[in-house]
Amino acid sequence: GAGVSQSPSNKVTEKGKDVELRCDPISGHTALYWYRQSLGQGLEFLIYFQGNSAPDKSGLPSDRFSAERTGGSVSTLTIQRTQQEDSAVYLCASSLEGNQPQHFGDGTRLSIL
Amino acid sequence: AQSVTQPDIHITVSEGASLELRCNYSYGATPYLFWYVQSPGQGLQLLLKYFSGDTLVQGIKGFEAEFKRSQSSFNLRKPSVHWSDAAEYFCAVSEYGNKLVFGAGTILRVKS
Repeated sequence: GAGVSQSPSNKVTEKGKDVELRCDPISGHTALYWYRQSLGQGLEFLIYFQGNSAPDKSGLPSDRFSAERTGGSVSTLTIQRTQQEDSAVYLCASSLEGNQPQHFGDGTRLSIL
Repeated sequence: AQSVTQPDIHITVSEGASLELRCNYSYGATPYLFWYVQSPGQGLQLLLKYFSGDTLVQGIKGFEAEFKRSQSSFNLRKPSVHWSDAAEYFCAVSEYGNKLVFGAGTILRVKS
């Protein structure tokens, strides 16, 4: 399996809890992206990592959202004090370089009760 | 700011018929252009991309798309649709080929 791997595939949590979503990109891909897909907003860009550069956080909707990428590989998206409007599918993608086609994982479906 | 319009929310075609999905973008320069397909419960699969050069691009699964600068369009076409093509299709643009801005998607239904 050489694709982008995301875990968990589904996550149900209570409002106010913190959640962590994980993304394993394709080996050798230097660029990693997080997107959110929701019924009301469609597909939205959240954050972009490229190599050792500072991440582009321009799509994060609030300061409750953060992400890190350790060792240029695995990434974790953290949502603190979850709200019901955070319910969505969170998609991770990676690409060889920043301007190359992106390969997507199957996403994590997050449900906030 | 960039934006993408997919005017058709749903499209139904008969198996074997031709298909055209419309996409218009708003951007000053020529952006990177993409079409992705998403089956239920799965991530997005790249069908094709346009960066520069020949304005008619070929993709996987028999799809093609034509970039028309004068119309700011990048419509997706397939000459003969198969039942397995039923899915949701997304057009996307990017200024530098990185952050993608997506259209709202078009759900394709194929009737036999």
